[in-house]
Amino acid sequence: DTEVTQTPKHLVMGMTNKKSLKCEQHMGHRAMYWYKQKAKKPPELMFVYSYEKLSINESVPSRFSPECPNSSLLNLHLHALQPEDSALYLCASSHRDRLGETQYFGPGTRLLVL
Amino acid sequence: KQEVTQIPAALSVPEGENLVLNCSFTDSAIYNLQWFRQDPGKGLTSLLLIQSSQREQTSGRLNASLDKSSGRSTLYIAASQPGDSATYLCAVRWGSSNTGKLIFGQGTTLQVKP
Repeated sequence: DTEVTQTPKHLVMGMTNKKSLKCEQHMGHRAMYWYKQKAKKPPELMFVYSYEKLSINESVPSRFSPECPNSSLLNLHLHALQPEDSALYLCASSHRDRLGETQYFGPGTRLLVL
Repeated sequence: KQEVTQIPAALSVPEGENLVLNCSFTDSAIYNLQWFRQDPGKGLTSLLLIQSSQREQTSGRLNASLDKSSGRSTLYIAASQPGDSATYLCAVRWGSSNTGKLIFGQGTTLQVKP
């Protein structure tokens, strides 16, 4: 099973709402990532968790709050977002094996902030 | 500054042609390089991973090469098909830790015409 799942697929929220994005993988990967992708742009790294601890925060505004409850699950809590935060949010996981370290991406959550 | 560049931004070819997508990167001390495919509005699918010690990787009709000294990688697609139409992203990882950051190029959008 080389699958990363993300829910919901689509999300529309107002600027005063609180919502959460969920990411799950059962491949035993110990590194998990959140990326943000605007239209016609490449993904940009937001956060990295390694062994359930936050290891990289790419100066992301505090209205985005990541959480890693266990080794299979990664959440992104959203609060007081701005319209410019509308984007595709991608989750990924990775592990190191004899072939190297491949990142596997989920299908993404398309977020619209009104 | 570590940057990844992909040229051209868009490419249109007739079905059956062999084609090459280019990726260049600053700082030759990479850890690995990964090629992805992204269909419109979807997540990323990993195509090939090349470790810094490798020169090429092959998967079916795809062949990726790496020349660290010149800071270049190419993705060769043989006998292109309309189903190959997508955006192809090159991503480079510098740093050897389990949580190395992937830096993406802007992508090449490929259209294969029947």
